[in-house]
Amino acid sequence: AQSVTQPDIHITVSEGASLELRCNYSYGATPYLFWYVQSPGQGLQLLLKYFSGDTLVQGIKGFEAEFKRSQSSFNLRKPSVHWSDAAEYFCAVGTNDYKLSFGAGTTVTVRA
Amino acid sequence: GAGVSQSPSNKVTEKGKDVELRCDPISGHTALYWYRQSLGQGLEFLIYFQGNSAPDKSGLPSDRFSAERTGGSVSTLTIQRTQQEDSAVYLCASSVRQGLDTEAFFGQGTRLTVV
Repeated sequence: AQSVTQPDIHITVSEGASLELRCNYSYGATPYLFWYVQSPGQGLQLLLKYFSGDTLVQGIKGFEAEFKRSQSSFNLRKPSVHWSDAAEYFCAVGTNDYKLSFGAGTTVTVRA
Repeated sequence: GAGVSQSPSNKVTEKGKDVELRCDPISGHTALYWYRQSLGQGLEFLIYFQGNSAPDKSGLPSDRFSAERTGGSVSTLTIQRTQQEDSAVYLCASSVRQGLDTEAFFGQGTRLTVV
């Protein structure tokens, strides 16, 4: 069965520092991978996705993610976080042509 | 509206009562999804509608849960005889068509509390 693991429940980072959120997946076929962000009181917003091709994917808001097949990972990074990046982040894998399987999420706190 | 609209935004109900949650997808979107987000857990797939095709109900946790989509637009998720474990945020999403290459747009969710 497919699954997504986000090992970090909560991360605190200083404004201006770099951020990396970990995501590991278990899926038999070539995965479709996604990162979503959920700000307080808001719905989920797609940050980026990987289907094929270049393993380094650029997204919105200055985020990027790298697909590493050998490690079954799809980690999200941002070089310099802003206070507005405080939110909950979800990694997801597409398990067919419409269904997503989500990780439990990582909450990011940004301190001044 | 421009986005996916869900109502109510919050619902408190007594155990054993029935509740209906509504989702208005983005106009013209043929695909519609319901997910459940429980505290400390990721999103759990509930049901998927695509056009006039039979819905994928494989994620519904029990026969107390049902959903319909009328006229290919508005969807209602109904939970009968609510239990405390049904307390969660119920999220609806829509996309222009089937396929993970098309972005799913999420509503803000309905927070259901069963007391």
